[in-house]
Amino acid sequence: ILNVEQSPQSLHVQEGDSTNFTCSFPSSNFYALHWYRWETAKSPEALFVMTLNGDEKKKGRISATLNTKEGYSYLYIKGSQPEDSATYLCALTSYDKVIFGPGTSLSVIP
Amino acid sequence: DADVTQTPRNRITKTGKRIMLECSQTKGHDRMYWYRQDPGLGLRLIYYSFDVKDINKGEISDGYSVSRQAQAKFSLSLESAIPNQTALYFCATSGERGDYYNEQFFGPGTRLTVL
Repeated sequence: ILNVEQSPQSLHVQEGDSTNFTCSFPSSNFYALHWYRWETAKSPEALFVMTLNGDEKKKGRISATLNTKEGYSYLYIKGSQPEDSATYLCALTSYDKVIFGPGTSLSVIP
Repeated sequence: DADVTQTPRNRITKTGKRIMLECSQTKGHDRMYWYRQDPGLGLRLIYYSFDVKDINKGEISDGYSVSRQAQAKFSLSLESAIPNQTALYFCATSGERGDYYNEQFFGPGTRLTVL
């Protein structure tokens, strides 16, 4: 695992809009990809873990997909709410490494 | 009570001082981690431990040392603090020794300022 990139760096959307952001990585040589949600003044909390190409996970209005062949994962939020405002981190884990991306900061405007 | 606790929560110290940050967990996990967070850089791994006898350097271990006193306790030390070690430090735990898939559970963080 060389580097984990996330885009965009920040995002401002109106309440009710749907949005998505990307985690990209150069190699599929990892065990799992994790998405975390990190609210200001709190600790990161896990959203999803995905391990196989084509994995899709969903929790309420939030879902994620994994494409290891092309080196990306998408996180989708349907009908954004102000409480979705947070930084969203992705992380790749291999045997001896955990590499976090820099995060996407989402602000949902009421 | 929180599953992963860190002490202290905030610390201001001077250059050259020795500082220890402590982490305790009640989740029964084997794997424990120390990260630092700097603005714009995300979380970077300092040290990690798969069990009491297995401690490994992460990507930014220079200037830091760790001690795994028990399964539940993992301490991070700055032997001689310097200003560029000013950051937010997180401890995290996850699963059993051989489990590479589990999510990590984070402590509340320690904000360290080195003057």
